[in-house]
Amino acid sequence: DAGVIQSPRHEVTEMGQEVTLRCKPISGHNSLFWYRQTMMRGLELLIYFNNNVPIDDSGMPEDRFSAKMPNASFSTLKIQPSEPRDSAVYFCAITSATDTQYFGPGTRLTVL
Amino acid sequence: DQQVKQNSPSLSVQEGRISILNCDYTNSMFDYFLWYKKYPAEGPTFLISISSIKDKNEDGRFTVFLNKSAKHLSLHIVPSQPGDSAVYFCAASGSGGSNYKLTFGKGTLLTVNP
Repeated sequence: DAGVIQSPRHEVTEMGQEVTLRCKPISGHNSLFWYRQTMMRGLELLIYFNNNVPIDDSGMPEDRFSAKMPNASFSTLKIQPSEPRDSAVYFCAITSATDTQYFGPGTRLTVL
Repeated sequence: DQQVKQNSPSLSVQEGRISILNCDYTNSMFDYFLWYKKYPAEGPTFLISISSIKDKNEDGRFTVFLNKSAKHLSLHIVPSQPGDSAVYFCAASGSGGSNYKLTFGKGTLLTVNP
């Protein structure tokens, strides 16, 4: 079974601070996706990687957001500087051999 | 502009009865549709999918119906069980699979009462 570990599970920070969210696939995958969930906008795709290469980052809200995938087992989403409107749940998802997207448990970010 | 819409934020049904969750889409390029279920403090989990070449797909208690002309799909759960209580998301893709960008609806909270 495909699986994804996300850390931290909860993050509370102050406006202006840098935030780094981490995603670790624990099984093989083809693609990796970062989503954000808010009450207003629902689940939105921020960026996705195929074979560790960013393919579509059109959902990244602004330059304060950046994502990297240095290898097949690790990806980060960084917000610098963070703002209160960035408060949301951030999900990482991967696709398995069955071509289905499997989501991690998410990181709940609160920016004060 | 929302390309995938779930117009009912919530739905309440009695255990044993049928639950019907609806979803509408506007983008005619979508050709693959999925339903995800989400419990609190967990990520969405894949439930069932359907390709645009079909109009029905069934998996146990779950059936998804697709009406391409109306750009409408629905998820039927029968019989409903209390463990089905969750938020259900409809999602769509334009690439024939989910190994690409998914566009999600905002979800419908289903409550199944014992």
